[in-house]
Amino acid sequence: DSGVTQTPKHLITATGQRVTLRCSPRSGDLSVYWYQQSLDQGLQFLIQYYNGEERAKGNILERFSAQQFPDLHSELNLSSLELGDSALYFCASSATGETQYFGPGTRLLVL
Amino acid sequence: GIQVEQSPPDLILQEGANSTLRCNFSDSVNNLQWFHQNPWGQLINLFYIPSGTKQNGRLSATTVATERYSLLYISSSQTTDSGVYFCAVDNYGQNFVFGPGTRLSVLP
Repeated sequence: DSGVTQTPKHLITATGQRVTLRCSPRSGDLSVYWYQQSLDQGLQFLIQYYNGEERAKGNILERFSAQQFPDLHSELNLSSLELGDSALYFCASSATGETQYFGPGTRLLVL
Repeated sequence: GIQVEQSPPDLILQEGANSTLRCNFSDSVNNLQWFHQNPWGQLINLFYIPSGTKQNGRLSATTVATERYSLLYISSSQTTDSGVYFCAVDNYGQNFVFGPGTRLSVLP
């Protein structure tokens, strides 16, 4: 158990809908990272937050947004969902920016 | 951006065998990690190793930063070692970039 929790574990929704994925980092970790793992794109970095502020942005679509709250948990919002958004979404946290610890992931299926 | 390659893409071993997985990267890095993704999808951190050598039980890793590669050694492999092994690098504040992975199958 990495200490990073993600909810929900599974999510099935329809095209055009909006969903919110939630992540709670390890106790004391200020950095939260979001990743997408799909069959055709592999593991891709989406966005990083550090203590509530956006720190780095990767291949994140404009339809996606994220935020980190004062209690350090983070949410990833995916809107106007398309079939191609079906993927495993991981959250990771880090204290020092060195070792990242990954949560169990949220498996999203868009029908 | 930085490119990460891993070899071999697939590896099938008999239980008890040893193996070496390789990660090549195209630029200098300040962070390199090895992960194991188990058959249930969980990503497990194995090593933080931007340079040097580390060992943890049957696993060890070596990164030669000047030559831009890292090696992961698995000795006396077990069926529970099966899964996909990823190398990921951070290029001094750039995004954390993952390699395509090596899929390992350990047969009983």
